[in-house]
Amino acid sequence: KQEVTQIPAALSVPEGENLVLNCSFTDSAIYNLQWFRQDPGKGLTSLLLIQSSQREQTSGRLNASLDKSSGRSTLYIAASQPGDSATYLCAVSSTDSWGKFQFGAGTQVVVTP
Amino acid sequence: DAGVIQSPRHEVTEMGQEVTLRCKPISGHNSLFWYRQTMMRGLELLIYFNNNVPIDDSGMPEDRFSAKMPNASFSTLKIQPSEPRDSAVYFCASSLRQGAVRDTQYFGPGTRLTVL
Repeated sequence: KQEVTQIPAALSVPEGENLVLNCSFTDSAIYNLQWFRQDPGKGLTSLLLIQSSQREQTSGRLNASLDKSSGRSTLYIAASQPGDSATYLCAVSSTDSWGKFQFGAGTQVVVTP
Repeated sequence: DAGVIQSPRHEVTEMGQEVTLRCKPISGHNSLFWYRQTMMRGLELLIYFNNNVPIDDSGMPEDRFSAKMPNASFSTLKIQPSEPRDSAVYFCASSLRQGAVRDTQYFGPGTRLTVL
């Protein structure tokens, strides 16, 4: 069974600093990997989707990398802002499933002004 | 597009009562997912449908839970009878699957269920 781990569980950085969030998974036979953002009391918002054939995806200040062989993905957020404060979750879709994702527990990020 | 719509947004009920949660996926999406989120267990997939057919319900905790998708634009998750440990936020998500290509999942705002 695929297991997804996110470390650290919580992170606090001053505004302007770059954020590095880690996600690891146990089964490298993945179809794709997705990063989500969740604000308190709200649903999940998709940030980036990386297909298994890709090594990275970029959107604005966000960059996500994928290394299937080592079972790792990293989300980089450049020049963090207080508005980036949220919980970030990664989710992995395995090749033997019909699109269901296995989620990590998330990293709670606080960006202080 | 209005996104994934869930109702109600909040539900408070007493133990033993029947609870029905509703979801309208994004128009044109053919996959629908029901999740439950708690502090203790995080986000758990309960069941998912592809083209209105349940594909995997292994995440449904017990027989008290049931889900239906009578058509492409509507799904329900029912808990009967409800118990205090069912208190959680229930999310519905939808996506488009075309052959082997799977698109991103779009989540609804969730239903916060409290069972007293």
